[in-house]
Amino acid sequence: AQSVSQHNHHVILSEAASLELGCNYSYGGTVNLFWYVQYPGQHLQLLLKYFSGDPLVKGIKGFEAEFIKSKFSFNLRKPSVQWSDTAEYFCAVNLYNQGGKLIFGQGTELSVKP
Amino acid sequence: DAGVIQSPRHEVTEMGQEVTLRCKPISGHDYLFWYRQTMMRGLELLIYFNNNVPIDDSGMPEDRFSAKMPNASFSTLKIQPSEPRDSAVYFCASSFQGGEQFFGPGTRLTVL
Repeated sequence: AQSVSQHNHHVILSEAASLELGCNYSYGGTVNLFWYVQYPGQHLQLLLKYFSGDPLVKGIKGFEAEFIKSKFSFNLRKPSVQWSDTAEYFCAVNLYNQGGKLIFGQGTELSVKP
Repeated sequence: DAGVIQSPRHEVTEMGQEVTLRCKPISGHDYLFWYRQTMMRGLELLIYFNNNVPIDDSGMPEDRFSAKMPNASFSTLKIQPSEPRDSAVYFCASSFQGGEQFFGPGTRLTVL
């Protein structure tokens, strides 16, 4: 079965540290890839997405992600985190032949210390 | 656009009662999704619709759960009878042609 795996369940960083959150998926076909963020007590919001083209995508708030097809990975990065980045981050995959269905990873909780 | 609208935002009910959650998708969107989020199981897709037709309900946990979409602007998720293990945050999301999904604020359900 298709799945999405996020390697880190909880990451704790100090402000200005660099961030990389891992995401791997298991599906050999064409995929669309997403990172969503959920701030405490709020709903999910899209950070960035990859459908095709340049595998390095830039999203909101200084986040970026790189799609490496050979590694089935779509890792999220930010060079310098802020306290306001404290949130839960979800990687998701949309399988090309399954309409709009998204498969989500387990989520990574990021805590940024001021 | 107001975004995806869900009601109620919070629901507290007793075991055995019927619960109905409501969702209004973004106008023009043709896909609608219902998710459940819990600490133990994370974010799970329950069911999704395309043009008001249920496409995949494999995530619906039991016969106690049912979902309908009578028209393009309204969907319900019903739990009857409710149980304490149904306590969770239920999100509705919509998208256009299977693209980016926009999530509603969620309904926090507590079953006592």
